[in-house]
Amino acid sequence: AQKITQTQPGMFVQEKEAVTLDCTYDTSDPSYGLFWYKQPSSGEMIFLIYQGSYDQQNATEGRYSLNFQKARKSANLVISASQLGDSAMYFCAMRPPRNTGGFKTIFGAGTRLFVKA
Amino acid sequence: EAGVAQSPRYKIIEKRQSVAFWCNPISGHATLYWYQQILGQGPKLLIQFQNNGVVDDSQLPKDRFSAERLKGVDSTLKIQPAKLEDSAVYLCASSLDQFLRGFSPLHFGNGTRLTVT
Repeated sequence: AQKITQTQPGMFVQEKEAVTLDCTYDTSDPSYGLFWYKQPSSGEMIFLIYQGSYDQQNATEGRYSLNFQKARKSANLVISASQLGDSAMYFCAMRPPRNTGGFKTIFGAGTRLFVKA
Repeated sequence: EAGVAQSPRYKIIEKRQSVAFWCNPISGHATLYWYQQILGQGPKLLIQFQNNGVVDDSQLPKDRFSAERLKGVDSTLKIQPAKLEDSAVYLCASSLDQFLRGFSPLHFGNGTRLTVT
């Protein structure tokens, strides 16, 4: 069965510093997609970044980058130059390949990030 | 483009009452999802539609929850009768899952916060 594990319930980071949020996953499928979402206190889930299992390079989107280590089955999110507005819950998610009968996305338990001024 | 629309934003009901949530996905998105997010946890998939057909409802408590997606666009999720443990945020999401793109991100609505007393 597929599973996403986020072992950090809460993280603190000083404004303007970088922070890494951990995510490990478990799947027997060779093809899958990995995603990170941000959920501010307002409640909306915001898509941040995507990494395909066959992508050779780590994904980057502005201040967000994904440290993808396939052999270790980890997909850590790196936020550079943290801002106060980055304070939120962050969820790691995984989707199986489309030919397995659907696009069921599973989520980890999340990590709450606090950015200190 | 307009985002995923959900209503109502908040709902308070007593146990054993019924409630319905509405969702309008992003235009052109074939796949629609309903997630339940209990406070402090990651979203849990309740049901997934591909156009107007159900792809996955394995975690939907079918004795009290029902969902439909008429004409492959809008969707409603109903709970009848509600229990205290149904208190949660109900998130609707949609995705553009073309045949050649297996890993489209989910786009979420703002959610409905349900409180059952």
